[in-house]
Amino acid sequence: SQTIHQWPATLVQPVGSPLSLECTVEGTSNPNLYWYRQAAGRGLQLLFYSVGIGQISSEVPQNLSASRPQDRQFILSSKKLLLSDSGFYLCAWTPSGGNTGELFFGEGSRLTVL
Amino acid sequence: GNSVTQMEGPVTLSEEAFLTINCTYTATGYPSLFWYVQYPGEGLQLLLKATKADDKGSNKGFEATYRKETTSFHLEKGSVQVSDSAVYFCALSRSGSARQLTFGSGTQLTVLP
Repeated sequence: SQTIHQWPATLVQPVGSPLSLECTVEGTSNPNLYWYRQAAGRGLQLLFYSVGIGQISSEVPQNLSASRPQDRQFILSSKKLLLSDSGFYLCAWTPSGGNTGELFFGEGSRLTVL
Repeated sequence: GNSVTQMEGPVTLSEEAFLTINCTYTATGYPSLFWYVQYPGEGLQLLLKATKADDKGSNKGFEATYRKETTSFHLEKGSVQVSDSAVYFCALSRSGSARQLTFGSGTQLTVLP
């Protein structure tokens, strides 16, 4: 069966520090991968999605970036964090073939920028 | 553009009470509609979905009917349990693609024993 994991689960970072959140999917090949942010009291905002290695589409301009160095690995990064980057970050995947609209989410990473 | 409007939370109910969480949408054509649930400290998971008008999605005692005439997809459960405490998100996909999912802002539900 397919599984998705992301880490770290929680992170407290000072303003201006770098960020790296990692996500891996097991049990499937060539998944579509997504990074979402969930700010407090708000819905989910799609940040990045990827249909293959090295292929990243950005949905919202910001100081975050994403990379996909391997087929089932998706990384969210920042060189310098802002206070507004605080939130709950969710990685998700879908099969590359049929697309029913169902996303499979990881457990989430809670980032607090101080 | 597409949008989803959900009932403002938080919602607090006693165990065995009836639950309704309202969801209305704006979209052209015939979107697919979804309810996702997020339990405390976890990611989201699909609860139920409907892909065409008058379809009823159901799972774990929850139901929602795709009403095109009222552009609504209200979530209902006849008797809630403490374990149903979670945040519920309504969402739509214009093309059926996960890439184009539009989420509502979420409704926090707390069920008291």
